[in-house]
Parts: sequence; C-alpha cells; structure tokens
Amino acid sequence: AAGVIQSPRHLIKEKRETATLKCYPIPRHDTVYWYQQGPGQDPQFLISFYEKMQSDKGSIPDRFSAQQFSDYHSELNMSSLELGDSALYFCASSSRMDPGEAFFGQGTRLTVV
Amino acid sequence: AQSVTQLDSQVPVFEEAPVELRCNYSSSVSVYLFWYVQYPNQGLQLLLKYLSGSTLVESINGFEAEFNKSQTSFHLRKPSVHISDTAEYFCAVSDGYGGATNKLIFGTGTLLAVQP
Repeated sequence: AAGVIQSPRHLIKEKRETATLKCYPIPRHDTVYWYQQGPGQDPQFLISFYEKMQSDKGSIPDRFSAQQFSDYHSELNMSSLELGDSALYFCASSSRMDPGEAFFGQGTRLTVV
Repeated sequence: AQSVTQLDSQVPVFEEAPVELRCNYSSSVSVYLFWYVQYPNQGLQLLLKYLSGSTLVESINGFEAEFNKSQTSFHLRKPSVHISDTAEYFCAVSDGYGGATNKLIFGTGTLLAVQP
C-alpha cells in the first residue's frame, strides 16, 4: 500500500539559508499535517491543510510557510534558518472519509550548521 | 485546550515481564486517543487507537489500551514484552471535531527499554 512520501530524507543547510521540504500524501487523502520534532522532544504541530486550504495553525514560526498544491502534495518552506530549526519534520495525511488515523511519513531530518 | 501527560519518561523492564505505560489527557470535548511507537531514527507508527465503542482496544502485536473516561486515562499495557519492543511510545489526543482527524497533541513520550 502507498504510504506518505517525504523528500528529502536528510538535509543539511547553513544558518540563514532556505530549505524546502516536500510531502506526498497517500492517494485520496485530503488533509496534510506538518509536525516538528526536536531532539528528544515530542512532535509539535505546525500547520495543516484540508482540500488545499489552510485548516489549522500551530506553533509555526513566521519564517516558515507552507501550502498544498492541486495534486495534494504539500511543501514546507523555511527561510532564514537558525540552529534551533534542526529537527525531524514529519508530514502526515488523513481522509475525512476515514477519520481517526493520520498516517505519518518517515520524516525529513534537517540539520542547520 | 487539550493536553496529554505521560508521567514516565523511561520505563526499564526485563524481557517477558509485563509493562504499563501511563497516559492521562485533558479535554473539554470528546476525543480520539492514540498510541504511536517510534523506533530509533524512524517515523511514527500507529500502534492502536480509540475512537468510540469498546473501551478496550488491542494491537496486532499484543499491546492493549483501555479508555477510562472517569479517570481521563488511556494506559498502554502488554503482558509480556520482547527486546524488539524497545522504542519510544507517544500517547496522543485529537478532538475529532466534525468527524475528522484533526491535529494531534502528543505527550512527551515514554522510552520503553527492554533488557534481557
């Protein structure tokens, strides 16, 4: 069965650079979520999209932006990177036709040096 | 606002012993409850979930959790653990508004360390 695909799996950037993370949800899933997991931390909700519209917003810095495209894939854009942005970024997808479970991707490990 | 509390940051246990990982939640609305497992350098995998109906839910690998509304708890149990169960376990809550899976609020995680 198809799963949530995230790319890249690993990314190394320097401070003040920009990074773009991509997420391809499970086919026919209409909702995408982004989470940030710092070292030794629990995942923190950043933002979500339903049918290409932002549906909820969490603790996402103003330096970050995200969108969901017509093919339902989503991108998280991160600018002016800081050392503290180093984390594992997860994307998850779900369907309102099958509530109760969000499927997670393997994550993108971002390291800012 | 919803929140999840996992009181134990680490639970050491010997192989084949029983284990309980505790989870308490707070919410003013009806909730969906989840346990996710994360192996080292891996993503989050759903272990089991409570949406409605029977308060006892089971996973395919021997874990079970019981939703207790009066105690606002959703503790995870396994009668006999294996070395391969060593992982970080996260309890999570979603408000299920509109019948959808909304954002998950995670607890701080419990490291289950199974020793031979």
